[in-house]
Amino acid sequence: NAGVTQTPKFQVLKTGQSMTLQCAQDMNHEYMSWYRQDPGMGLRLIHYSVGAGITDQGEVPNGYNVSRSTTEDFPLRLLSAAPSQTSVYFCASSYSSGINEQFFGPGTRLTVL
Amino acid sequence: LAKTTQPISMDSYEGQEVNITCSHNNIATNDYITWYQQFPSQGPRFIIQGYKTKVTNEVASLFIPADRKSSTLSLPRVSLSDTAVYYCLVGDGTGRRALTFGSGTRLQVQP
Repeated sequence: NAGVTQTPKFQVLKTGQSMTLQCAQDMNHEYMSWYRQDPGMGLRLIHYSVGAGITDQGEVPNGYNVSRSTTEDFPLRLLSAAPSQTSVYFCASSYSSGINEQFFGPGTRLTVL
Repeated sequence: LAKTTQPISMDSYEGQEVNITCSHNNIATNDYITWYQQFPSQGPRFIIQGYKTKVTNEVASLFIPADRKSSTLSLPRVSLSDTAVYYCLVGDGTGRRALTFGSGTRLQVQP
């Protein structure tokens, strides 16, 4: 199993550009989530999904969209990048959200100029 | 969402036992307590999870008192490689609520 994969590993955007961060898992997990981590800070939940076709907002959803058309994939879209979105983005998956171990991807380091 | 409070940082020396306490005063009946470890430039990694009393695995122990309003992660005989950030999370056992991370505890182990 590849586990949780994220692409790209690094990305530089200009203010106003849009892009999609890809996340995929091959563990047949129902629960997937996106976090952002700013330097020296903890992780903050952006969006999450409890199954295909179901998504919900986390703590900091503004400026981001998600969709979950398949169990495996959970892409995160930045609609119009802003310097405040410079961060490391982690995708995670688990069998369910509550009592199951979350597996994290390697992260995407995004810089918005 | 149940909020957690942890010390911002802790220092220790190699070979010592380290105890990190997390406060979660409004924990719900269905909530479990989970601890994660994060090294720089990596995603968090699951350490241990429990509901009540004591749980032990090959890397740590988790102590949860009867009122479940706090929990303590115990790392026996730490080494330099245990230097990391440790997060305490409280999660809904029904799987219907999202997990959120707090700021974590930065553990520095010195020789």
